[in-house]
Amino acid sequence: AQRVTQPEKLLSVFKGAPVELKCNYSYSGSPELFWYVQYSRQRLQLLLRHISRESIKGFTADLNKGETSFHLKKPFAQEEDSAMYYCALRGYQKVTFGTGTKLQVIP
Amino acid sequence: NAGVTQTPKFQVLKTGQSMTLQCAQDMNHEYMSWYRQDPGMGLRLIHYSVGAGITDQGEVPNGYNVSRSTTEDFPLRLLSAAPSQTSVYFCASSQTNSYGYTFGSGTRLTVV
Repeated sequence: AQRVTQPEKLLSVFKGAPVELKCNYSYSGSPELFWYVQYSRQRLQLLLRHISRESIKGFTADLNKGETSFHLKKPFAQEEDSAMYYCALRGYQKVTFGTGTKLQVIP
Repeated sequence: NAGVTQTPKFQVLKTGQSMTLQCAQDMNHEYMSWYRQDPGMGLRLIHYSVGAGITDQGEVPNGYNVSRSTTEDFPLRLLSAAPSQTSVYFCASSQTNSYGYTFGSGTRLTVV
């Protein structure tokens, strides 16, 4: 079985503060991890995937196999970062999503 | 290049009615999936397909049927709508196992 846990439903930070959205996973094989973002009234968009080790819109995420985590980080939050963020795991064929974290950036 | 197109955008059904949610992609993606999005529950996988003619069940398949006769289309059928199926439905596709999904804009379904 594969599972993704996002422990925070809501994360509020001030503009300019660091952001860390937590994601933990459970999977017996070698997982592929992704972060998706959903801005208000828009469709979900791929933000980044661990395999490419990229930085998108200032966000980064590192896969920690020892802690089975894939936390999303940004050093300085901006108001336009306010959105729902979903962590996802692709196992053998299926993609499982976490329950999402709403990021609220306070001006 | 339209990406993933879902129709309709909104739908109201009466309990017991049936309907089909349409999903089409023009990117020649092999993988396609249907999710439902409910408050506090994230996205839950209903059915998925790894290629034309191949489908399988996800976490919450009861009450839904799918087929994949072509690479482009992956319709989701509600057999007999129930209020518990009130949700936002998303279709998504990806090129291979390592690529992320491209999502459709969603269908907001209300069953009364």
